[in-house]
Amino acid sequence: QKEVEQDPGPLSVPEGAIVSLNCTYSNSAFQYFMWYRQYSRKGPELLMYTYSSGNKEDGRFTAQVDKSSKYISLFIRDSQPSDSATYLCAMGNSSASKIIFGSGTRLSIRP
Amino acid sequence: EAGVVQSPRYKIIEKKQPVAFWCNPISGHNTLYWYRQNLGQGPELLIRYENEEAVDDSQLPKDRFSAERLKGVDSTLKIQPAELGDSAVYLCASSLRDEQFFGPGTRLTVL
Repeated sequence: QKEVEQDPGPLSVPEGAIVSLNCTYSNSAFQYFMWYRQYSRKGPELLMYTYSSGNKEDGRFTAQVDKSSKYISLFIRDSQPSDSATYLCAMGNSSASKIIFGSGTRLSIRP
Repeated sequence: EAGVVQSPRYKIIEKKQPVAFWCNPISGHNTLYWYRQNLGQGPELLIRYENEEAVDDSQLPKDRFSAERLKGVDSTLKIQPAELGDSAVYLCASSLRDEQFFGPGTRLTVL
């Protein structure tokens, strides 16, 4: 079993829809939880970062962490075609310098 | 501010040939990472440097892979000899604290 599991998709939704992306993990020592966005032929870029359970909001993006269920989510409101990308969850234990990535979910927003 | 620079962007070689990738991190970032990203997967850490010191190379296949970071700035990752299974995107990232900034990667194809 992988330490981090992520549905690879692809996920296709119409513009304006709410998108929900999820990851599960098995290592209860993880304390740092991140979401990265990766456009085609580009490197990943950090979207959201949290080290506690609960919700964190940044504009149209909300990251949710449930440590009791070992489950993290990323919600995108009012999705735009420019949000079309691969979204990677990532987790670390003692610091954010050693992180484990999920396999990524490919998201497509239809105009 | 310039981002992480990597070269070349693309490389095609025949198996058993050597290949080298170069990375110039963001100025002032003392931590440098090399990752490998296979198609449809998340990045996997190969090696992490703190300044000139390789502090985590546990996932680096040392029989054929080598890396160096001279003067704690630029870094080179080498594969010799390359195998078919080495085809992947090789990503370099750098960080000052928690957030890792990724370069665009080098796409390696081994024929």
